[in-house]
Amino acid sequence: QKEVEQNSGPLSVPEGAIASLNCTYSDRGSQSFFWYRQYSGKSPELIMFIYSNGDKEDGRFTAQLNKASQYVSLLIRDSQPSDSATYLCAATSGTSYGKLTFGQGTILTVHP
Amino acid sequence: DADVTQTPRNRITKTGKRIMLECSQTKGHDRMYWYRQDPGLGLRLIYYSFDVKDINKGEISDGYSVSRQAQAKFSLSLESAIPNQTALYFCATREDMNTGELFFGEGSRLTVL
Repeated sequence: QKEVEQNSGPLSVPEGAIASLNCTYSDRGSQSFFWYRQYSGKSPELIMFIYSNGDKEDGRFTAQLNKASQYVSLLIRDSQPSDSATYLCAATSGTSYGKLTFGQGTILTVHP
Repeated sequence: DADVTQTPRNRITKTGKRIMLECSQTKGHDRMYWYRQDPGLGLRLIYYSFDVKDINKGEISDGYSVSRQAQAKFSLSLESAIPNQTALYFCATREDMNTGELFFGEGSRLTVL
């Protein structure tokens, strides 16, 4: 089992809709979780991080963490074509300090 | 100038050749990482380092070695390259805190023929 798994894509949503990206993790000791966005041919860039149970909002983005279910999600409200990218979920390790493991990524396409 | 610089950006080589990918950073971070990216597989951790004397294997270290020459420099070597090591390689640095984000270089695209 992969340490971090993301919902299989690709995901396609119309402009203005809510895009929902999901991630599960297997290491119960994981403390911090990150969502990165990666445009084709570019480096990943951080969108949000979360380490407390519940929701964390930043503009059109909301990260949700449920440690009991070992589940992290990212909601993108009012999706724009410029949000079309690969989204990567990452989690810190509960046993190897400083180790950060990524999921396989979900490709999101927002169509006009 | 970029905070995390990778060289070379693109490299084509042949099976069996030794290849070194270099990474240097000006962010002053102790933590440095090497990841490999393949389509559909996300980023997979090869090696990570907390200082020049602390180097750790990641998920896929077989066939790779690293050297931390200084706080600012972390090199990845393929002693004898093989075609399935064809991938995009990213170096990254990170602040020494559990909520610290990764700062990535621009990537090194390696093709092994």
